[in-house]
Amino acid sequence: AQKVTQAQTEISVVEKEDVTLDCVYETRDTTYYLFWYKQPPSGELVFLIRRNSFDEQNEISGRYSWNFQKSTSSFNFTITASQVVDSAVYFCALLITGTASKLTFGTGTRLQVTL
Amino acid sequence: ETGVTQSPTHLIKTRGQQVTLRCSSQSGHNTVSWYQQALGQGPQFIFQYYREEENGRGNFPPRFSGLQFPNYSSELNVNALELDDSALYLCASSPVAGVETQYFGPGTRLLVL
Repeated sequence: AQKVTQAQTEISVVEKEDVTLDCVYETRDTTYYLFWYKQPPSGELVFLIRRNSFDEQNEISGRYSWNFQKSTSSFNFTITASQVVDSAVYFCALLITGTASKLTFGTGTRLQVTL
Repeated sequence: ETGVTQSPTHLIKTRGQQVTLRCSSQSGHNTVSWYQQALGQGPQFIFQYYREEENGRGNFPPRFSGLQFPNYSSELNVNALELDDSALYLCASSPVAGVETQYFGPGTRLLVL
């Protein structure tokens, strides 16, 4: 069975601080995909990044960066110089190849960025 | 915006009623997945449709059913509504079934009284 754990329920930071959102996953499959989605108050899940299990290179996209470590089954997400617009709930998700492309989500981390 | 649309945006029903939610997939996408997101939780997979056939199902009872049409739009039907069915229902589309990224619509908020 697959599982995603986001232990941080809620994080509050002041604008311009850096913040890291943790994600730990469990799977017995050797081929899998990891995702991060952002959910603003409007409710729509916004795709941020996808990473496959064979690519452990870290990725940077503007103020966002992701650290994938298979040895610790973690896929952490860092926002540098946070902004108020980053306030949202962030979900980490795991996808296993199979009959259906079913995403298994964590419970999410609510990020509150204040001035 | 992803190009995935859902209707209605909000819905209020009473226990025992039936509801139909609709989703239009992004242009070029032939796979639609439905998720239920209870308050404070992550989305839970209900089922997926690929080329008008159910392609996989999560742990939801048979009163949750769906359809996909030739234009790849989809419906989610829930019969005999229960209070616990109150949630945000999210639809996601992807180019093909498999490992492609799923792009989500804005969701339908269902309240069952």
